[in-house]
Amino acid sequence: DTGVSQDPRHKITKRGQNVTFRCDPISEHNRLYWYRQTLGQGPEFLTYFQNEAQLEKSRLLSDRFSAERPKGSFSTLEIQRTEQGDSAMYLCASSLITDEAFFGQGTRLTVV
Amino acid sequence: AQKVTQAQTEISVVEKEDVTLDCVYETRDTTYYLFWYKQPPSGELVFLIRRNSFDEQNEISGRYSWNFQKSTSSFNFTITASQVVDSAVYFCALSEEWANDMRFGAGTRLTVKP
Repeated sequence: DTGVSQDPRHKITKRGQNVTFRCDPISEHNRLYWYRQTLGQGPEFLTYFQNEAQLEKSRLLSDRFSAERPKGSFSTLEIQRTEQGDSAMYLCASSLITDEAFFGQGTRLTVV
Repeated sequence: AQKVTQAQTEISVVEKEDVTLDCVYETRDTTYYLFWYKQPPSGELVFLIRRNSFDEQNEISGRYSWNFQKSTSSFNFTITASQVVDSAVYFCALSEEWANDMRFGAGTRLTVKP
């Protein structure tokens, strides 16, 4: 395990469809984060897990978004009824409690 | 509220020039962490450095150096003798002690020309 992996790398979907992304963190990391990044901007925090507990959600995370981390291992981020404004890069990161976060390569979502 | 400002949107230099990327932050906390990440064209954010608010010593790592000044709320990043492979977007970020997220600046796109 050399880093955080995300799947898929790219996703094109029609408006109104549901999409799900997966993140596999570094195995010993107990914290997992989801960020969203739009063109020309820095990543924006969406939510974070400590082990399997989702401890914080940003106001950016509307009701159409849901994230899970069963058993404190991998995590999924689902977007229901996608909108064009959801087009962005979705980044996953993991860390130990007091350490820096390591990011995956992201999933680029395009809603057409 | 925490905030990070990277005033330089884009910088272009010629190889072997030195370049400094500016980062100014705002926070009310006395304990916080500052970060720099590099995002090459491949898209993955690469961790460069983490600094806590009580450690104002400047850091040097090879061609990279960081200058942390609490008096001006700045955490600037200098690349000495830049190389084409340094071309990327660089992000500065801030995390407050009790926060669970990092707040990123908008990034500075660095282009190093041969």
